[in-house]
Amino acid sequence: AQSVTQLDSHVSVSEGTPVLLRCNYSSSYSPSLFWYVQHPNKGLQLLLKYTSAATLVKGINGFEAEFKKSETSFHLTKPSAHMSDAAEYFCVVSDMSPGNKLTFGGGTRVLVKP
Amino acid sequence: DAGITQSPRHKVTETGTPVTLRCHQTENHRYMYWYRQDPGHGLRLIHYSYGVKDTDKGEVSDGYSVSRSKTEDFLLTLESATSSQTSVYFCAISGYGGLGDEQFFGPGTRLTVL
Repeated sequence: AQSVTQLDSHVSVSEGTPVLLRCNYSSSYSPSLFWYVQHPNKGLQLLLKYTSAATLVKGINGFEAEFKKSETSFHLTKPSAHMSDAAEYFCVVSDMSPGNKLTFGGGTRVLVKP
Repeated sequence: DAGITQSPRHKVTETGTPVTLRCHQTENHRYMYWYRQDPGHGLRLIHYSYGVKDTDKGEVSDGYSVSRSKTEDFLLTLESATSSQTSVYFCAISGYGGLGDEQFFGPGTRLTVL
């Protein structure tokens, strides 16, 4: 069975400061990992994904994440937060089960203060 | 944006009534998924389809049924709606359903069961 834990349900940052969203996963296989973002009253948009290539993954809008197998972590970072980054972020794991079923973390809501 | 639409976008219904939600895609993707989103739980898989007339259960399938008679349409039915099924429902699609294949999400349907 696979699972995802997002360690913070809410994160508050000031505009221009770094953002760190923490994610730990559990999977029986070598997983694929994703970060999705959801802006208020919108659907989900893919930020980035890891699929066993480079462990440092760059995504859209300046986000990046590092896969650390020894720590079973996939933390999301951005060097400088922008007001438009205010949203909810989901860490997601996919293993080799039929149908590529995804398991979502509970989400981290990011507030960006001016 | 991937061509995914959901209808209706909002619905209010009463306990015990049947409800059908529709997902329509224009991408000719093989895999389609239905999720529900509840606070603190991220998204949870209800059912998915891996082809016309081919469906399987997800994590929270009790009380739901699905049908897929055409590649482009995936229907979710609540045979007798209950208040616990009040949620936001998202449809997603993916091309080949393999490890690392990202899923694209629709805009969501907000369902309220009174």
